[in-house]
Amino acid sequence: DGGITQSPKYLFRKEGQNVTLSCEQNLNHDAMYWYRQDPGQGLRLIYYSQIVNDFQKGDIAEGYSVSREKKESFPLTVTSAQKNPTAFYLCASSNFGGGVREAFFGQGTRLTVV
Amino acid sequence: AQKITQTQPGMFVQEKEAVTLDCTYDTSDPSYGLFWYKQPSSGEMIFLIYQGSYDQQNATEGRYSLNFQKARKSANLVISASQLGDSAMYFCAMREGPRGVNQGGKLIFGQGTELSVKP
Repeated sequence: DGGITQSPKYLFRKEGQNVTLSCEQNLNHDAMYWYRQDPGQGLRLIYYSQIVNDFQKGDIAEGYSVSREKKESFPLTVTSAQKNPTAFYLCASSNFGGGVREAFFGQGTRLTVV
Repeated sequence: AQKITQTQPGMFVQEKEAVTLDCTYDTSDPSYGLFWYKQPSSGEMIFLIYQGSYDQQNATEGRYSLNFQKARKSANLVISASQLGDSAMYFCAMREGPRGVNQGGKLIFGQGTELSVKP
């Protein structure tokens, strides 16, 4: 079945360490997105990519990095520069220009700094 | 700049009644799309309804309808005949563009409204 997969579901990180969250889609979508959600809050855009080998900063990109080397993959690295990384991270993909009218989301990764 | 505002942090509704969740937006792009998503406590994002800026009629999907008032830049979600399972966070979102085929456009979300349905 087509879909978007995030892994792992839960992730624990020690302070000062970098960690990479995986996002893979087999929907043949060009656009992919990363969001951060804090408890009781909305989704804030970290990075997005509209095409392979290109990506743009969202509203809270500091302390995060991404790559888009393949169409189906958009990994997010939470670096040690991110001062408060504990949050729920959601990845999404879409092809809005191709007549698709929704963004499809993964199940999310809950990151905790210990 | 692109902006989405949801001014109701929490709402209560009696089971079987209708409820309206407010959403206002701001954009200078003539081409944009508006979305509503539901997020239950599990964290998954469930797509509910979509309205394109050039769509002539308000979107409807089952018990969900979108009250699109372009001049006022509002896109309120109306849920008819509320059910206990409707209790969740609801997010309004906006995408500018696309400007070309398969261009995703920036997709941003509001702060959300927590809806509680009372039996």
